Order: sequence, then C-alpha cells, then structure tokens
Amino acid sequence: DAGVIQSPRHEVTEMGQEVTLRCKPISGHNSLFWYRQTMMRGLELLIYFNNNVPIDDSGMPEDRFSAKMPNASFSTLKIQPSEPRDSAVYFCASSQSGGKNIQYFGAGTRLSVL
Amino acid sequence: GENVEQHPSTLSVQEGDSAVIKCTYSDSASNYFPWYKQELGKRPQLIIDIRSNVGEKKDQRIAVTLNKTAKHFSLHITETQPEDSAVYFCAADSGSARQLTFGSGTQLTVLP
Repeated sequence: DAGVIQSPRHEVTEMGQEVTLRCKPISGHNSLFWYRQTMMRGLELLIYFNNNVPIDDSGMPEDRFSAKMPNASFSTLKIQPSEPRDSAVYFCASSQSGGKNIQYFGAGTRLSVL
Repeated sequence: GENVEQHPSTLSVQEGDSAVIKCTYSDSASNYFPWYKQELGKRPQLIIDIRSNVGEKKDQRIAVTLNKTAKHFSLHITETQPEDSAVYFCAADSGSARQLTFGSGTQLTVLP
C-alpha cells in the first residue's frame, strides 16, 4: 500500500484565496483525521471522520474551515477565505477503527498564506 | 476533554546515554497510549504504543511504561544514537470517538 496520500505537498497562496487540501486514506481504513501543526499550538485535531461521517469537528477553528469525505477513499479540507494565520502544516491520518488503532500519517501539506 | 502534558520540551543527551520523556493525562477512561517520532520536515511515525492492560512494553532500545493509577506514561530510549534526534509526541485516546490527544512534543538532540 502507498500509505496515506496528501496533495499538494506545498501550497502558497494569497490572503483571501480558497485553498483545498486533499487526502486519500489507506485502503480498508474507516477512520480519517485532519490535523494542523504549528510551532505555537503543536499538533491539533481539526476533524475526525468514521465511515465517511464527521464524528467530531470541535477542533475546526472557525467557519472558514470545512471538510468533506464523499467516499471511503477521498477527503478534502477547504479554507475559504484563507488568512496568514492559517499558515501551517496540515496532516491527514487514517486508521482502521477510531482512535484505538494505529494512525498512519500522510506526508502533510505545508500551507503558506501571504 | 482529555489533557495530555509532556515534559521536557527539549532534551539533550550524549550519544550512548539514556533519554526519558514523560507524559500525564487526565481522562481516566483512556486506554491507548502511542508514541510518535517526527524527524525534521517529515510526518509523525508511530514508534511504540501501549494499552492499559499492560504496564510496560519494550522494543529493542525503546520502552514505554504506564502507570494508570497515577495517569502517567513514559518513553525510555537506551543507548541513544544521533539518528534518534527528532521530536517525540505522546498521545492518549479519549472521548466517545476515542480520538487521540497529543502532547506538545519533546525535541530530543543526541550529541555525538
């Protein structure tokens, strides 16, 4: 298996633009997680899907952030409009069942909002 | 919700010495405690995990201990090598969805 695949690896955009991050979980995994990593706040869970259904989105910073999982093999995290404070590394992770099983992380998307 | 505290935030050791990183958690219902290693510019990768039915687990030079009564767990790395230099994160599962809450990370530097 290729592991969790994220795209793009790097994204540079201007404030106010829409940003879409993509994730393909490991085949057979039914849980998917979006994290944001910054020096100041560390690794934060943004949202968690189980069987394509959002279970906990309490970590989503504000209404500018939205996430979808239309099927078992694809998820998106969208920021609209983007702001400089959204600059961070965004990781997607997947696991077989909830948080009790090993989470495998993607390579991350480094987002820079100018 | 769960609160995971990790100490120290930075740790420097001489090559060959041992390193210990400690974490505490708040949710007494937590049952799963993984440790992740993140090298510079890379993704976090699981290095060892422990479940609440055991008190200690070892894998070559790394070991994890768990004290459920005190709600703390620790990572031990023996015979450290320069390639052990990285940021280490502890985590604990919590909540109805049993998602992971991560500690703030420890930057380990192994000096040659």
